[in-house]
Amino acid sequence: KAGVTQTPRYLIKTRGQQVTLSCSPISGHRSVSWYQQTPGQGLQFLFEYFSETQRNKGNFPGRFSGRQFSNSRSEMNVSTLELGDSALYLCASRISGGRQETQYFGPGTRLLVL
Amino acid sequence: EDQVTQSPEALRLQEGESSSLNCSYTVSGLRGLFWYRQDPGKGPEFLFTLYSAGEEKEKERLKATLTKKESFLHITAPKPEDSATYLCAVQGGGGGTSYGKLTFGQGTILTVHP
Repeated sequence: KAGVTQTPRYLIKTRGQQVTLSCSPISGHRSVSWYQQTPGQGLQFLFEYFSETQRNKGNFPGRFSGRQFSNSRSEMNVSTLELGDSALYLCASRISGGRQETQYFGPGTRLLVL
Repeated sequence: EDQVTQSPEALRLQEGESSSLNCSYTVSGLRGLFWYRQDPGKGPEFLFTLYSAGEEKEKERLKATLTKKESFLHITAPKPEDSATYLCAVQGGGGGTSYGKLTFGQGTILTVHP
């Protein structure tokens, strides 16, 4: 099976711009979670989508949003970018159901805000 | 709120020198404890999932164990290619606030010298 894929892999933006990141989960996985990874804060949970519905959200401002499509692919959007948004953005997918809690991560999108 | 603390922050070993990494956690109803390996610039790679105290999982030179308060990742006769950051994460059972949310520790940076 193909793993989780994320596009683009690298992105450079300037303050005030917005950005959209894409994630394709492992085939058959219906849940997609997004995380932000920075050297200072480590890996922090952004939100989780299942069946096109956001089921959970972390402690991030409303500038961070996402959505999920009927084929389970997911996008996240960050509006009005700030310097502090520079990070590695990771998405992870899981089957969701029973004891299948394991999340499998993609390679990430490295975002640099100038 | 779920919390995860990993120690040590960094560990340097000689090739063949066995050791253990520690992950202490507090969680409301553990649904799973996860170990990942992360190489620089890449997404976390799944290693193990543990569900209940007393459980053990093994893979090549790695063995993960779980108690009610902590988990250990034992590395036997490590090789230079085992050098990476090892991340521990938990998923709590706090109802809607736990959907798809992993809480991560800061990681242990392992360096194995030949």
